[in-house]
Amino acid sequence: GAGVSQSPRYKVAKRGQDVALRCDPISGHVSLFWYQQALGQGPEFLTYFQNEAQLDKSGLPSDRFFAERPEGSVSTLKIQRTQQEDSAVYLCASSPADWGPQHFGDGTRLSIL
Amino acid sequence: QQQVKQSPQSLIVQKGGISIINCAYENTAFDYFPWYQQFPGKGPALLIAIRPDVSEKKEGRFTISFNKSAKQFSLHIMDSQPGDSATYFCAAYNFNKFYFGSGTKLNVKP
Repeated sequence: GAGVSQSPRYKVAKRGQDVALRCDPISGHVSLFWYQQALGQGPEFLTYFQNEAQLDKSGLPSDRFFAERPEGSVSTLKIQRTQQEDSAVYLCASSPADWGPQHFGDGTRLSIL
Repeated sequence: QQQVKQSPQSLIVQKGGISIINCAYENTAFDYFPWYQQFPGKGPALLIAIRPDVSEKKEGRFTISFNKSAKQFSLHIMDSQPGDSATYFCAAYNFNKFYFGSGTKLNVKP
């Protein structure tokens, strides 16, 4: 498809399990962002990639969160030893330049039991 | 500390009316201000955006008004339609980061 694709759309995990969330950006988009969106809130920045380089990871809430984009296209957000407070929608966005219009995926809704 | 403050939290407007959503910021280094529309179960979609060297931008029924000295900007939706019912987010950009407001849930009554 032409848009940003995220998978899975829904993920349920038990507390303590590791999860991996995938983002397929729009082809050719240089910039990729991950956001966390709590219920009823705006997206909060997690991390930013320019091609394969992770230029900013200041929004990652703890060292349990890890993101990668090894070939400058697909990105994976991994959360280790999940906690209940990790329950949220995780959004991925891509952009053709280092700033400018972001195109968002529909997110992965993560529920930690 | 919230970088972008958005109000109101919710808004009810009659069909054909004007919807107005406001945002305020503190960081004068912000240099790009987009507005997003989000429907339930979907990701935010860019509606309209403005740079701080412009005081107003209009695209169809959507207008951004920008007041640099007051560090405020607002979204006006003219002739609001039931299909506009969604959550709207303002955002501000600086140095590889976008900061989002907390959202306004708009309900346009038929």
